[in-house]
Amino acid sequence: RKEVEQDPGPFNVPEGATVAFNCTYSNSASQSFFWYRQDCRKEPKLLMSVYSSGNEDGRFTAQLNRASQYISLLIRDSKLSDSATYLCVVTRGGDKIIFGKGTRLHILP
Amino acid sequence: DTAVSQTPKYLVTQMGNDKSIKCEQNLGHDTMYWYKQDSKKFLKIMFSYNNKELIINETVPNRFSPKSPDKAHLNLHINSLELGDSAVYFCASSQGGSGINEQFFGPGTRLTVL
Repeated sequence: RKEVEQDPGPFNVPEGATVAFNCTYSNSASQSFFWYRQDCRKEPKLLMSVYSSGNEDGRFTAQLNRASQYISLLIRDSKLSDSATYLCVVTRGGDKIIFGKGTRLHILP
Repeated sequence: DTAVSQTPKYLVTQMGNDKSIKCEQNLGHDTMYWYKQDSKKFLKIMFSYNNKELIINETVPNRFSPKSPDKAHLNLHINSLELGDSAVYFCASSQGGSGINEQFFGPGTRLTVL
């Protein structure tokens, strides 16, 4: 079992819809959690850090469930420009950084 | 005014050659990284340096040797290139310890080994 797992998708979602995807992690000692976004043939860019209390940034909400060892990303009122690959990142111990394989999202007009 | 820059952007070379990729960041960050993203888009960390000191060294063939002349630069030298080395290599930097804070990625170097 991989340490960080994501549903690769693709998720094909009509514009304006709400979409959510999860990322599970296997090591309970994991400390920091992030969602990155990667557009086609571009570099990854931070979308949001994920905190235990959950956090929201505009249409995006990220949550952490330590008991069940997953993080989630919710996108409301999706836009065409949200089409990208969303990468889950988990770190621990100061020397382990693990990226998930990413979830591809296509927003359909 | 690029924050993290890499050169070259594209690199096409023959098997067995030795090549280098350069990375520079002007963000004043302490930590720099090299990642490999293969054809299946899986992004995997290779190395991390904090203030010129090697912090992370994942299971990478010793044909790959990072060099950090100062904390703003982290170059990657690859000896005896193999077909399986073909990938996109991303440099990144962050403030503070490895993985704690936001990482800023360079635009990537697309390496093709023929």
